[in-house]
Amino acid sequence: QQQVKQSPQSLIVQKGGISIINCAYENTAFDYFPWYQQFPGKGPALLIAIRPDVSEKKEGRFTISFNKSAKQFSLHIMDSQPGDSATYFCAASMSGNYGQNFVFGPGTRLSVLP
Amino acid sequence: ETGVTQSPTHLIKTRGQQVTLRCSSQSGHNTVSWYQQALGQGPQFIFQYYREEENGRGNFPPRFSGLQFPNYSSELNVNALELDDSALYLCASSLSGGGYGYTFGSGTRLTVV
Repeated sequence: QQQVKQSPQSLIVQKGGISIINCAYENTAFDYFPWYQQFPGKGPALLIAIRPDVSEKKEGRFTISFNKSAKQFSLHIMDSQPGDSATYFCAASMSGNYGQNFVFGPGTRLSVLP
Repeated sequence: ETGVTQSPTHLIKTRGQQVTLRCSSQSGHNTVSWYQQALGQGPQFIFQYYREEENGRGNFPPRFSGLQFPNYSSELNVNALELDDSALYLCASSLSGGGYGYTFGSGTRLTVV
């Protein structure tokens, strides 16, 4: 029940296209859902995050869509650029649970072709 | 404002040995969490330290242990190394214990041979 599922495992998109990564969770106690971007040799960096009281959050070219009833959320990258090529992780956590921290999905390797 | 610094960046150890990894938290952050990231997988929570005490633990055996110092820096110790311990070990610091405002370091790549 603590697992976060993520798909696809890898994604190839042309420059200017839309990249879509999907995640699903089981534990309804999760109430904070961040997306992290990781480049080779670097630690994950927070990209954007959402709470279940909203259905969508947009920051620049990045949008999170959240479906509470389906227990699913997704990351949309508009106008994908070669510099977006990285591994993306969705994650989930429970507020107030100071010792639990994040449960991460297995990651999606995005390649944006020039 | 400095970020999270981890040392060493790479390390090779022999099975059965012990290893200590170090982490300096971001300025102003008082909580440190450690994650293990196996190749091609997402990070997995090992444990968290707040006010120098372990404040939560993931599904890792007792041979994984840690410390947090008064300056909020932290160590991860692994005893009796196994081949499966080969991974990237990530340290993340934050101001509160809830995981918000996490800053990850670049990690220590541990190889056990």
